[in-house]
Amino acid sequence: GQNIDQPTEMTATEGAIVQINCTYQTSGFNGLFWYQQHAGEAPTFLSYNVLDGLEEKGRFSSFLSRSKGYSYLLLKELQMKDSASYLCAVRDSNYQLIWGAGTKLIIKP
Amino acid sequence: IAGITQAPTSQILAAGRRMTLRCTQDMRHNAMYWYRQDLGLGLRLIHYSNTAGTTGKGEVPDGYSVSRANTDDFPLTLASAVPSQTSVYFCASSPSGENNEQFFGPGTRLTVL
Repeated sequence: GQNIDQPTEMTATEGAIVQINCTYQTSGFNGLFWYQQHAGEAPTFLSYNVLDGLEEKGRFSSFLSRSKGYSYLLLKELQMKDSASYLCAVRDSNYQLIWGAGTKLIIKP
Repeated sequence: IAGITQAPTSQILAAGRRMTLRCTQDMRHNAMYWYRQDLGLGLRLIHYSNTAGTTGKGEVPDGYSVSRANTDDFPLTLASAVPSQTSVYFCASSPSGENNEQFFGPGTRLTVL
């Protein structure tokens, strides 16, 4: 079966750095997405990786290792508004997105 | 309209009733999707449409039907609602292309009693 694993919850301090990991086992791989979802709101796109390596976008970076079935989202200079759930999703061989359950990130002052 | 909209925002429904959730986008995206999101689970694909006139089944299609008469609209119908269909429903759309992200509507919170 297909599986995306992420930690359920993480806590970090304002101004710090946090890394959210995602491991996947899917039938095929056609890219990995990270989305942010604030409570009660819709998911919004953060990043996309299809090749191995690091993609940097401002305070957020995403890394991919296809051989290890592994990705992480790195958030720097954490702000209170970064408190949200972070969803990892993999596009499989049918070009459908398989979603992880999300990691709830709690930022403390 | 800007982006993707859904209606209603929330609904309480008696079991056995028929219900249609509406989704409209004005971005001229070819692909549209319906997901349900339940606590502790990832988004699960119900149905999708790669282009107007075509639809496909996702991971959890049973009890749901869709139609795609035109590019903009993608309604989701529950023919006879059951309590296990209580969930938050998100509609999404994306332009054609392998690396294109999906844009989500604000969601419909549905409770079936």
